[in-house]
Amino acid sequence: QQQVKQSPQSLIVQKGGISIINCAYENTAFDYFPWYQQFPGKGPALLIAIRPDVSEKKEGRFTISFNKSAKQFSLHIMDSQPGDSATYFCAAPFTPNAGGTSYGKLTFGQGTILTVHP
Amino acid sequence: EAGVAQSPRYKIIEKRQSVAFWCNPISGHATLYWYQQILGQGPKLLIQFQNNGVVDDSQLPKDRFSAERLKGVDSTLKIQPAKLEDSAVYLCASSPRRPGGHYTEAFFGQGTRLTVV
Repeated sequence: QQQVKQSPQSLIVQKGGISIINCAYENTAFDYFPWYQQFPGKGPALLIAIRPDVSEKKEGRFTISFNKSAKQFSLHIMDSQPGDSATYFCAAPFTPNAGGTSYGKLTFGQGTILTVHP
Repeated sequence: EAGVAQSPRYKIIEKRQSVAFWCNPISGHATLYWYQQILGQGPKLLIQFQNNGVVDDSQLPKDRFSAERLKGVDSTLKIQPAKLEDSAVYLCASSPRRPGGHYTEAFFGQGTRLTVV
């Protein structure tokens, strides 16, 4: 089972600050790197995702930075707000050995609990 | 567009009892997943269906867990008999099929929180 290692486990920032969460992966055949946001009592929801042919993707206050050579990607939340307080998961889809086709089976990181203080 | 529906939301059972969870995916989504999320961890895939066929069940504890997808739409996940370590949130997700088999976004339901006592 391929692993995705996520850090830190928890993060506390002040309103308006920058939140940074990091992930490292092993399988170089991964071709899609999503970040999911999960609020208590809810299922994970896709926040933002990147493909390895670009080094950065920005959507509003959320940015993914991707370092293919280091096999790492990170989530940056600019101007963090109390409403951003949630658990964030990085993930990567598992690519079977045969055929190299990604079937979408996601391997998740352990999660980061983000708390933004007002 | 309606999301992934799951029921029940909560279930408390005693160990060695059986339990079943139900999932209705987003209309037209060919792929359906069941994930297990233990408190404090990321979701872990149990089984993946493509239409009504199983694509991957390598991490499903087959001695106690079973799942089926009826007519390629709704799905049920069953645990029999349950163990204490099965306490977790069971998440159902679905995604549309893209030509070429490339990854497409998975949409998750709210999950069923199972407590085994």
